[in-house]
Amino acid sequence: AQTVTQSQPEMSVQEAETVTLSCTYDTSESDYYLFWYKQPPSRQMILVIRQEAYKQQNATENRFSVNFQKAAKSFSLKISDSQLGDAAMYFCAFNLGQNFVFGPGTRLSVLP
Amino acid sequence: DAGVTQSPTHLIKTRGQQVTLRCSPKSGHDTVSWYQQALGQGPQFIFQYYEEEERQRGNFPDRFSGHQFPNYSSELNVNALLLGDSALYLCASSQVPSWGNYGYTFGSGTRLTVV
Repeated sequence: AQTVTQSQPEMSVQEAETVTLSCTYDTSESDYYLFWYKQPPSRQMILVIRQEAYKQQNATENRFSVNFQKAAKSFSLKISDSQLGDAAMYFCAFNLGQNFVFGPGTRLSVLP
Repeated sequence: DAGVTQSPTHLIKTRGQQVTLRCSPKSGHDTVSWYQQALGQGPQFIFQYYEEEERQRGNFPDRFSGHQFPNYSSELNVNALLLGDSALYLCASSQVPSWGNYGYTFGSGTRLTVV
C-alpha cells in the first residue's frame, strides 16, 4: 500500500516556540522524495521542504527542518521560532511517479 | 509571472448534473495534474495530462474525464454528479520531466458543492 499517516489532526504552539509535526509513510518504491506542504486559508499548496530519500542528511530550510528516519519510514517536520504566519494545514507527502500521495494533514494553530 | 489559475473559484451544482472546471498552468509549464481534496482530507490524485493526453490516472471512476489544449490549459469534467463529489479541486502544473516532483505549482482550487 502507498499511504501517508499523520497522527496529529491538530496541534498548537506559542509564538516563538518550537513544534514538531509527525508523519509516517509506506511505499514499495526504493527511490522517492518526501515533502511537507503548507495550505493556508488561501487554499494554495505551498512547498515547505523536500527530502531526497537516498540522502541521509536531514533537509533544512531556514526555520524548518526534518527528522528523516528511512528504516522507520518516518518524516517529521520541526518548525522553530514559530510565527503567526505559520498557522495553516500541513500535509506530508511522497511522490509516486510524477504525482503525490498526501497524508490527511495536521492543522497548526499559532498562539500569540 | 502568473502562477496557476483556476476557474471558477466556487460553484454549486445539483446531483446528476455535469460540471467543467478549468486550469491555466504557470507560464513555461506543459503538464497539468488534477487533485480532489475532500473536506478534512489530503488531496487525492485524479489524473495528469501531458501533450494533450492523459498520462496517469488515480483511482477515480470514468465519470471523471479531462482534456488538455494546445496552449497547455486543461479542463476537468465530472458527469452525473454525486453528493460525494463535493470537494476542493486543485490543479498543479509542472514541466516534464520534473525530477523528484520539484517545481510543482498548485492553484488555489475550485470549491465544488453538490446539493
